[in-house]
Amino acid sequence: GAGVSQSPSNKVTEKGKDVELRCDPISGHTALYWYRQSLGQGLEFLIYFQGNSAPDKSGLPSDRFSAERTGGSVSTLTIQRTEQRDSAMYRCASSLTGLAGVTDTQYFGPGTRLTVL
Amino acid sequence: AQTVTQSQPEMSVQEAETVTLSCTYDTSESDYYLFWYKQPPSRQMILVIRQEAYKQQNATENRFSVNFQKAAKSFSLKISDSQLGDAAMYFCAEGFSSNTGKLIFGQGTTLQVKP
Repeated sequence: GAGVSQSPSNKVTEKGKDVELRCDPISGHTALYWYRQSLGQGLEFLIYFQGNSAPDKSGLPSDRFSAERTGGSVSTLTIQRTEQRDSAMYRCASSLTGLAGVTDTQYFGPGTRLTVL
Repeated sequence: AQTVTQSQPEMSVQEAETVTLSCTYDTSESDYYLFWYKQPPSRQMILVIRQEAYKQQNATENRFSVNFQKAAKSFSLKISDSQLGDAAMYFCAEGFSSNTGKLIFGQGTTLQVKP
């Protein structure tokens, strides 16, 4: 079946603009994660959604970052008033239930490469 | 804070040879899981292998195996009979049963496979 998809694959924006990044998880997966990968670094956790539970936002770096998940499926990560330090690869992952914590395998999307000029 | 450290930014191996990638972690949790992910130039993130901390036996997946040293908090990945397709960036990651499924990643090791 189809894997996790993300759009756009690349996004170039000007400092101060808002951007929206989209993630389509694997059908039937109830858990969804957003990570950020800066150049030459590992992935950094941003936010986690599981079913109808309140999201775990503990990784969001500032209040300029927000995310929502509509209908338990598609998720959008929004960055307001972008800054050059926001430039990174933004990756989404989904897992079947999320209830098993990390025993659930996370399947990653190809990422959105964000460049803030 | 929980940290995962990969001290080798780059490694190279001759095709058909064996290479070991290092990873250390720092946690006070008793129930955790360790992972190796592969990131080829295609930008995918592919799970290579997973180890449950409560299991003493080292995980193995075909040519990939780990050396899990719990007391030393070390989790190295061994790739046997290296193939050109193994060339990628490899990330070590840790997750905890007491937490959501979020993973803590190391900085990555770029593996070059020479023909």
